[in-house]
Amino acid sequence: QVQLQESGPGLVKPSQTLSLTCTVSGGSISSGDYYWSWIRQPPGKGLEWIGYIYYSGSTYYNPSLKSRVTISVDTSKNQFSLKLSSVTAADTAVYYCARVKIGLSHDYWGQGTLVTVSS
Amino acid sequence: QSALTQPASVSGSPGQSITISCTGTSSDVGGYNYVSWYQQHPGKAPKLMIYEVSNRPSGVPDRFSGSKSGNTASLTISGLQAEDEADYYCSSYTSSSTPVFGGGTKLTVL
Repeated sequence: QVQLQESGPGLVKPSQTLSLTCTVSGGSISSGDYYWSWIRQPPGKGLEWIGYIYYSGSTYYNPSLKSRVTISVDTSKNQFSLKLSSVTAADTAVYYCARVKIGLSHDYWGQGTLVTVSS
Repeated sequence: QSALTQPASVSGSPGQSITISCTGTSSDVGGYNYVSWYQQHPGKAPKLMIYEVSNRPSGVPDRFSGSKSGNTASLTISGLQAEDEADYYCSSYTSSSTPVFGGGTKLTVL
């Protein structure tokens, strides 16, 4: 059974960089059968896709966030990571990592981690 | 990329059927058979309920079904149960090779 777990600071100051890591267990990121995604959900609002990465390092980003987002992968640790720069209060959200099938359906999700942007 | 359009809320009584719509464009919903539906209970991560328009992952009850006509996809839940009360989100593959989510629909079981 594939499991994903997000980790990282729960509080980030405005203008700083938000950094999160997703650790995958029960399956290998390097298998090549899936993409690996980050999605966020502001309190009380809907889901917003941030971006996804393939084990080779190729990435796709949400155009609205592209200038501030970097997603990377570490196959040796079976992890992938998210960096979001120049954060504001509008970036406060629960951040999820997920596995992505062909057709871009997200079939396994982490439990999510709340990141608050505040001084 | 604009979010897909879903009704903000739907409701139904136990045992009834409800349908949630998800409207996009020919660049997403209408152009590909890659529509997914997710169920999210409060404080929980989303759960994949339907993929590729009408396929159910293992373990999802057959009370949940999906369909598509033109630029609109639909999720139907038959034999509504109390535990179906949740938020539901649709998602589609787009011509940019990226996914787009709907705004979400709150299902209330009366």
